[in-house]
Amino acid sequence: AQRVTQPEKLLSVFKGAPVELKCNYSYSGSPELFWYVQYSRQRLQLLLRHISRESIKGFTADLNKGETSFHLKKPFAQEEDSAMYYCALRATGNQFYFGTGTSLTVIP
Amino acid sequence: EPEVTQTPSHQVTQMGQEVILRCVPISNHLYFYWYRQILGQKVEFLVSFYNNEISEKSEIFDDQFSVERPDGSNFTLKIRSTKLEDSAMYFCASTPPGVYEQYFGPGTRLTVT
Repeated sequence: AQRVTQPEKLLSVFKGAPVELKCNYSYSGSPELFWYVQYSRQRLQLLLRHISRESIKGFTADLNKGETSFHLKKPFAQEEDSAMYYCALRATGNQFYFGTGTSLTVIP
Repeated sequence: EPEVTQTPSHQVTQMGQEVILRCVPISNHLYFYWYRQILGQKVEFLVSFYNNEISEKSEIFDDQFSVERPDGSNFTLKIRSTKLEDSAMYFCASTPPGVYEQYFGPGTRLTVT
């Protein structure tokens, strides 16, 4: 069965500190993984996807197939990074599985 | 920049009533989706829709649910006979051709009393 696990519901870091939001997945096929972000009172929006290997707003995420992980990292957290972050997996076809989300608070 | 829109923003209905949630996807997008999020829980995939038919659906999407694209712009989710446990935020999303980047609507909060 396809699963996405985000073990931390809440995460607080100080401004300027590194941040890592964890995501593990379970999928028998070749995974396609995404990070979505939801800022306060805004809609869900795509942050980044593993196939494009890009850095958005200083965030990066590397797919580690051996550890079945897709952790989101940023070396220096900013206050504006405070938001809800969701890891998502696209299964074959067009079905998506979301994790439960991690609420990140960056303390000034 | 074009956005996915959803109406209404909040719908209150009585148990057993039919409800229709409406979405207008971005105009050149090809795939459309409905998700729900029960308060405090994860975003759950309900259904994807392509070329005027359902392409994938989850176990949640049973016979009580249906989707339609009645006029080439709207994309609707109908729940035939609502239950208390249908209370949730319902999100619509769409993707442009060739990519799986989903653009989400702001959601409709459905409250079943």
